[in-house]
Parts: sequence; structure tokens; C-alpha cells
Amino acid sequence: DTGVSQDPRHKITKRGQNVTFRCDPISEHNRLYWYRQTLGQGPEFLTYFQNEAQLEKSRLLSDRFSAERPKGSFSTLEIQRTEQGDSAMYLCASSLPFSVGEETQYFGPGTRLLVL
Amino acid sequence: AQSVAQPEDQVNVAEGNPLTVKCTYSVSGNPYLFWYVQYPNRGLQFLLKYITGDNLVKGSYGFEAEFNKSQTSFHLKKPSALVSDSALYFCAVRDRSGGYNKLIFGAGTRLAVHP
Repeated sequence: DTGVSQDPRHKITKRGQNVTFRCDPISEHNRLYWYRQTLGQGPEFLTYFQNEAQLEKSRLLSDRFSAERPKGSFSTLEIQRTEQGDSAMYLCASSLPFSVGEETQYFGPGTRLLVL
Repeated sequence: AQSVAQPEDQVNVAEGNPLTVKCTYSVSGNPYLFWYVQYPNRGLQFLLKYITGDNLVKGSYGFEAEFNKSQTSFHLKKPSALVSDSALYFCAVRDRSGGYNKLIFGAGTRLAVHP
């Protein structure tokens, strides 16, 4: 399977703990995105990488959230001091370098986080 | 500000009947428009997109969508629904004038196809 992969698929944690999620994009995709989806809502943009550079961050990404893509391949999203409001599905997507016709983002299966 | 509206929380269709899932958008420039489908506990699967050209675009699994600039709509359609089409459908928009291609999603429409 050469699609976007995410690990873990599910995470249950206690409030105040730190969690880290990993995303492996499609191999030739240099653009990587993180979104958050809460129950009954569409995904909301969190942050965007082009290669290793983090080029855009949403205001949703509080200072407890940090994302990295150190070598321009896989990415990690860390949430420090988790709160119950962080419970959501965290989705990763990737896309090819921009050119006409290459705007499609392909999504991974998501990591479902439950904060108790 | 960019936004997407999916006015129906749920659409119910009998198998074999045509289906329409509605989407309207608001952007400052010319839009890129997308439809994705989500099955339970799964990520989003790309169905189709409108970038430029023909207003009627065809996608996966027999779905198509019509871009209507004057009505700022991008409704998803299928001539004959299948029970297996039952899922959550999301419309998304990207404003071309933006520097990056983050997507703005609607809240989703649940499609229920009954045998």
C-alpha cells in the first residue's frame, strides 16, 4: 500500500499527558498537511509543510501543539498537556509539488485521540 | 473569508434512484473545489475535483459534480445510487488566490441509500 499512513490509529490518554502522532506521506509528495476533525464536523486545517519547512499554521494550533517534518519525509504532531477538548480525529494529508492539475490532497486513515 | 456550506445534514435515497448532495461555497477568487467521502472510522477518500474547464466533472465510483459559478455551487450527483454509497460526504474549497492549498471543508452530509 503506497498511500498515506498514520500511527497510531487510536490513542487513549489521561488529561495532562503528552501524545505524539506520526504521519508518513506518499513517497513523492513534498507537501504535507495536518487537519483535526471533531464529531459531526468537517476537517479543520492545522498546519502545512513544504518539504521540511512549516509554512502555515492555523490559530487552532495552540502553543501546546507542535509539528515537525525534520527531513522532509515523515511528520510528527505532538500535543503537550492534553485536554479533553483535544479529543478528535487527527488527519494527515499529502500532495505533489504544485502545478496545474496537482492540487489533490490524499488523506491517511487518521489517528483518533480520546483524552480522559 | 472562505467558507463552504452543505445545507443538508442527511440525504435519504432509495437504491437505484438518482442522488444529489448539495454544496455552496464562498471565496474571494476563483475556486478549486473538491468532494471527498468518509466511511466509518476511516480517513477521507478523494472523489473528484473542479479546477478549470468543463463545468461537469466526473469522478470515482460513478459520481459527478457540476460547477455553477453564478450560483457558487458544486453539487455532487450520481444517476443511480447504491447501498454501498452510504457514507459521509464532504465538499471542500481552496481559494486560488491563496499561497498554499489548505482546504476549507463543509460540515458534511450523511448519505443513506436504502434497499
